[in-house]
Amino acid sequence: QKEVEQDPGPLSVPEGAIVSLNCTYSNSAFQYFMWYRQYSRKGPELLMYTYSSGNKEDGRFTAQVDKSSKYISLFIRDSQPSDSATYLCAMEDATNKLIFGTGTLLAVQP
Amino acid sequence: NAGVTQTPKFQVLKTGQSMTLQCAQDMNHNSMYWYRQDPGMGLRLIYYSASEGTTDKGEVPNGYNVSRLNKREFSLRLESAAPSQTSVYFCASSAGTGISYEQYFGPGTRLTVT
Repeated sequence: QKEVEQDPGPLSVPEGAIVSLNCTYSNSAFQYFMWYRQYSRKGPELLMYTYSSGNKEDGRFTAQVDKSSKYISLFIRDSQPSDSATYLCAMEDATNKLIFGTGTLLAVQP
Repeated sequence: NAGVTQTPKFQVLKTGQSMTLQCAQDMNHNSMYWYRQDPGMGLRLIYYSASEGTTDKGEVPNGYNVSRLNKREFSLRLESAAPSQTSVYFCASSAGTGISYEQYFGPGTRLTVT
């Protein structure tokens, strides 16, 4: 079993929809949780990070961490075609290395 | 300010050939990383350098060597390429001297080994 599991999609939604992207993990020692966005044929870029449990909001994006369920989510409100990308969750392990999910491909249809 | 640059962008090698992937950053970052990205596997850390003069193995170091040439540059060498090393390789950097969650990635090198 992988330490971090992420549904690869693809996920296709109409413009304006609310998008929910999720990851589960098995290592209860993870403390930092990140979401990276990767456009086609580009390198990933950090979108948001959260420390421990709770919510964090940044514009149309909200990151949630539920450590009791070992589950993290990224919500995108009022999705736009420019949000079409692969979204990678990542977590920092005890040796401070990042463990990435496999990524979810999102397509927002105009 | 170019951020993280990688050369080459594309490369095709025959099994057994060697090559070096180059990476440079202009953000005065201390830490640099090499990852590979494969379908269904996500990003996996090959090697990293927490500061100039130090390098450490990541999750999948076998078949690779690295050199932290100076603070700006971090190269990845394949001594004898194998088809299993066909992948997209990303270099990244971060400001701190330890591994950081805020990493800045280059555009990647697409390598095919036949």
